[in-house]
Amino acid sequence: DAGVIQSPRHEVTEMGQEVTLRCKLISGHNSLFWYRQTMMRGLELLIYFNNNVPIDDSGMPEDRFSAKMPNASFSTLKIQPSEPRDSAVYFCASSRGTGDTGELFFGEGSRLTVL
Amino acid sequence: DAKTTQPPSMDCAEGRAANLPCNHSTISGNEYVYWYRQIHSQGPQYIIHGLKNNETNEMASLIITEDRKSSTLILPHATLRDTAVYYCIVRARGGTSYGKLTFGQGTILTVHP
Repeated sequence: DAGVIQSPRHEVTEMGQEVTLRCKLISGHNSLFWYRQTMMRGLELLIYFNNNVPIDDSGMPEDRFSAKMPNASFSTLKIQPSEPRDSAVYFCASSRGTGDTGELFFGEGSRLTVL
Repeated sequence: DAKTTQPPSMDCAEGRAANLPCNHSTISGNEYVYWYRQIHSQGPQYIIHGLKNNETNEMASLIITEDRKSSTLILPHATLRDTAVYYCIVRARGGTSYGKLTFGQGTILTVHP
């Protein structure tokens, strides 16, 4: 079975540009998580969805960040406008069912560089 | 969620058992111990979790002390591909902790030939 698929793997953009990161969940998974990893702050949870509904977005840095699940298998994380401090690796993860098992399956990440 | 303490780095010879310790002295009765690892340039990978009993799966074994204040992840026959950062995470299930894996600094395990 295919794992969590993220795109693009690498993105280099200029400050002020819009960035859209994409994630395809594992088939049958109901929960979706967006994490961000930097050297300074490590791995941070940005937002998570359960059955397409955002449950907790308290980790989203500011209004420039938005996330959606247009359907049960796909999610986007958008940054508009982007800033150099947004440079990080963004991970998407999914988990089975609606119960909180703590077993998350992570994608390979999208490395974002904002110049 | 309870705080965890792990050594920053460890070495292990290939083929030997790697024993990674984790202290979680403030763990609550409803909190589970999870282990994840992150190989360079990859996403974190779930390894194993437990509440109070020892657990074993195809990847590793988890030994939790009787007082639950510490645990050890055991990779029985370490290979070079096990070189990674290993994270010990303590969290309750559901409620405000739903889905929130709080990753600390972890232990950098280096497996040598």
